[in-house]
Amino acid sequence: GENVEQHPSTLSVQEGDSAVIKCTYSDSASNYFPWYKQELGKRPQLIIDIRSNVGEKKDQRIAVTLNKTAKHFSLHITETQPEDSAVYFCAASIGTDKLIFGTGTRLQVFP
Amino acid sequence: KAGVTQTPRYLIKTRGQQVTLSCSPISGHRSVSWYQQTPGQGLQFLFEYFSETQRNKGNFPGRFSGRQFSNSRSEMNVSTLELGDSALYLCASRETPGNTIYFGEGSWLTVV
Repeated sequence: GENVEQHPSTLSVQEGDSAVIKCTYSDSASNYFPWYKQELGKRPQLIIDIRSNVGEKKDQRIAVTLNKTAKHFSLHITETQPEDSAVYFCAASIGTDKLIFGTGTRLQVFP
Repeated sequence: KAGVTQTPRYLIKTRGQQVTLSCSPISGHRSVSWYQQTPGQGLQFLFEYFSETQRNKGNFPGRFSGRQFSNSRSEMNVSTLELGDSALYLCASRETPGNTIYFGEGSWLTVV
């Protein structure tokens, strides 16, 4: 079955720096890749997603890139702010099949 | 629209007991999935229901079961609770067709 690996498990950056989180998936048939942000004690919330027919997608300070050949996708956060501190999860699915999540990255942004 | 609602939010059970958790999806969403979240294992898929039928199932023992009602509300049940079942149980609903899932606040289960 599908497996999603996520790195790093923790990431500390200075406010204003960029942060990059990388995920690798195993099933080449996967075609939907969302990213969720979970703040402490709260529900995971979708922040951006990408489909396999697109190589890159941006939304203000966040962007996701997808490399289908290498089967990996990455989340890029520019100009990080303290409120970006949270756990970020990547996920992959085939169509509307079950979402398989990575193990999460705890991002800490220091002022 | 109201979001995904889960009840109860917090509960404490004793080993060997059973527990039932409830989830009301976003109005109009017919797909409901359940995830177990633990610090070491992240978000683990339990099962998904669509139109009262189980569509997908994760790798959990038979002690974990679920169902969906005609109004799309879903319940999950865990029987013969073990200490390792202590976790945050998240319900998510999805509009079909569509890929995006929306999570509820979760039910925190502690087994003592």
